[in-house]
Amino acid sequence: NAGVMQNPRHLVRRRGQEARLRCSPMKGHSHVYWYRQLPEEGLKFMVYLQKENIIDESGMPKERFSAEFPKEGPSILRIQQVVRGDSAAYFCASSLAGGPDEQYFGPGTRLTVT
Amino acid sequence: LAKTTQPISMDSYEGQEVNITCSHNNIATNDYITWYQQFPSQGPRFIIQGYKTKVTNEVASLFIPADRKSSTLSLPRVSLSDTAVYYCLVGGAGSYQLTFGKGTKLSVIP
Repeated sequence: NAGVMQNPRHLVRRRGQEARLRCSPMKGHSHVYWYRQLPEEGLKFMVYLQKENIIDESGMPKERFSAEFPKEGPSILRIQQVVRGDSAAYFCASSLAGGPDEQYFGPGTRLTVT
Repeated sequence: LAKTTQPISMDSYEGQEVNITCSHNNIATNDYITWYQQFPSQGPRFIIQGYKTKVTNEVASLFIPADRKSSTLSLPRVSLSDTAVYYCLVGGAGSYQLTFGKGTKLSVIP
């Protein structure tokens, strides 16, 4: 039973480029969450999605960031026109149900903006 | 959201019991206390969750005093593989927004 999968594990982008991060939830899970972790910091909630719906994006920057979880395929976190401050580890988690149901985390994508 | 305070780092020798205490003075009535473990370059992993008194599973024990203003994660007989960052989280029963602080970096020494 595969866990949460994220790819790529490492992503290098130049300033101004687009970064696209993918997350495949655990089998049977329809709830996906994205978190960002800056160096030496804890994870910060960004967005919560269900299939084809954004439930809560209160933690996501208003500009350049977007997320989707289509009916088919992985959830995608998209960062347009990346800046150096976007360099961080981005973690995806999934759960079977919403609310307080236990979240299972993926290994993360480490984004480096040069 | 209740703020949590925990030591930045701790060292322990292999085979010892480790207790990590977390303060959460403003915990709300419906808040649960949850602990996560994170290894370098990996996502956090759920360890244990409790509301009051004591909870034990195959990995750890969680002690919560009656006033619930603090909690203690107890790891019995740690090994080198327990070297990780441990996070204490406090949140309501319906909360899906996990709020991580800086955690406690545990280093287990041979």
